[in-house]
Amino acid sequence: QKEVEQNSGPLSVPEGAIASLNCTYSDRGSQSFFWYRQYSGKSPELIMSIYSNGDKEDGRFTAQLNKASQYVSLLIRDSQPSDSATYLCAVTKEGAQKLVFGQGTRLTINP
Amino acid sequence: NAGVMQNPRHLVRRRGQEARLRCSPMKGHSHVYWYRQLPEEGLKFMVYLQKENIIDESGMPKERFSAEFPKEGPSILRIQQVVRGDSAAYFCASSMTGGSYEQYFGPGTRLTVT
Repeated sequence: QKEVEQNSGPLSVPEGAIASLNCTYSDRGSQSFFWYRQYSGKSPELIMSIYSNGDKEDGRFTAQLNKASQYVSLLIRDSQPSDSATYLCAVTKEGAQKLVFGQGTRLTINP
Repeated sequence: NAGVMQNPRHLVRRRGQEARLRCSPMKGHSHVYWYRQLPEEGLKFMVYLQKENIIDESGMPKERFSAEFPKEGPSILRIQQVVRGDSAAYFCASSMTGGSYEQYFGPGTRLTVT
């Protein structure tokens, strides 16, 4: 079982719709959760961090964390073609600093 | 530019040569991490350093790879006697503190071994 799992996609969403990206993790001791966006050939860009159960909103992005279900998600409202990228879910474990990444979900927003 | 800086951005080495990758953390950050992204694979942690200390090197290959973060100057990831399998994108990230704090990535060094 992979430590962090994401559907690889591709996930195709029409412009203006809500894109929903999901991630599960295996270690109940996981402490911090991050979403990064990576455009092809570029470096990962941090877009959201979440540390406690519930929702966290930042502009068009909402991160949701459910530790009991070991599940974290990212919602992108009013999707734009510029949101087309690979979205990486990353997790740190308690007492550790390294990020453990999922394989990423490739998102395409169709005009 | 207050972001994480890496150089060179592209590096070509022949098999058996040495590769040196440099990383300067974001201003105000004292924690540096190195990650590797192989073609069509995910990002994998390699090493975590603070000034003059290696904190976690659990992701570093046992041979040929080393890292340092001296008191003065950038962090350096060194790969000796490179092989074709070392071809990858190497990313450096930095954070203000350790623990589960937000890490910001540099633009990466794309290493090609011919």
